[in-house]
Amino acid sequence: EPEVTQTPSHQVTQMGQEVILRCVPISNHLYFYWYRQILGQKVEFLVSFYNNEISEKSEIFDDQFSVERPDGSNFTLKIRSTKLEDSAMYFCASKFGQKLYNEQFFGPGTRLTVL
Amino acid sequence: SQQGEEDPQALSIQEGENATMNCSYKTSINNLQWYRQNSGRGLVHLILIRSNEREKHSGRLRVTLDTSKKSSSLLITASRAADTASYFCATDDSGTYKYIFGTGTRLKVLA
Repeated sequence: EPEVTQTPSHQVTQMGQEVILRCVPISNHLYFYWYRQILGQKVEFLVSFYNNEISEKSEIFDDQFSVERPDGSNFTLKIRSTKLEDSAMYFCASKFGQKLYNEQFFGPGTRLTVL
Repeated sequence: SQQGEEDPQALSIQEGENATMNCSYKTSINNLQWYRQNSGRGLVHLILIRSNEREKHSGRLRVTLDTSKKSSSLLITASRAADTASYFCATDDSGTYKYIFGTGTRLKVLA
């Protein structure tokens, strides 16, 4: 069964460093998402992406964040200068279309630890 | 309350008992999904119920949806220790299609 994959599973970085989290969505999907979950809290929407541009972003997704689909398969989330509060689990998701009942499929997550 | 609030926040039961978790939401939705998450791990999709459905079953899981009350319930029957996890509901905002997650119910099943 096709699935969303994410790498790395765990990333440790120093405060102020740039990190890139990678996702490979399901191959025929057209809509892509990033969510994050701070430890012990709920999963929060960050950004959605369609047709090579951001379709929606939350207030969390500030200028330090960017997303890119550099080729036909990868979908990346970049954090330019990480802060301690960026430590969280980051989930990528993809969806085939915008039909009413298309569901989002989630990847296993990347745990980001900022020291 | 926020979109996608679950209650109870925590639930502790004996193995073999049934566990019921509830989720309330605020906006119109196309579908509602339930996920399980073991501590510090990824989201495991359990079941999706569409806005035109009222009840759905999958193995030991039973989900109901009441769109008039904007609420859903997840019932796990004959619980097992392996069911110990956090359970989240997620609704897709019919206006924006992003998922909005609830705060989760932490279920502990005692052997």
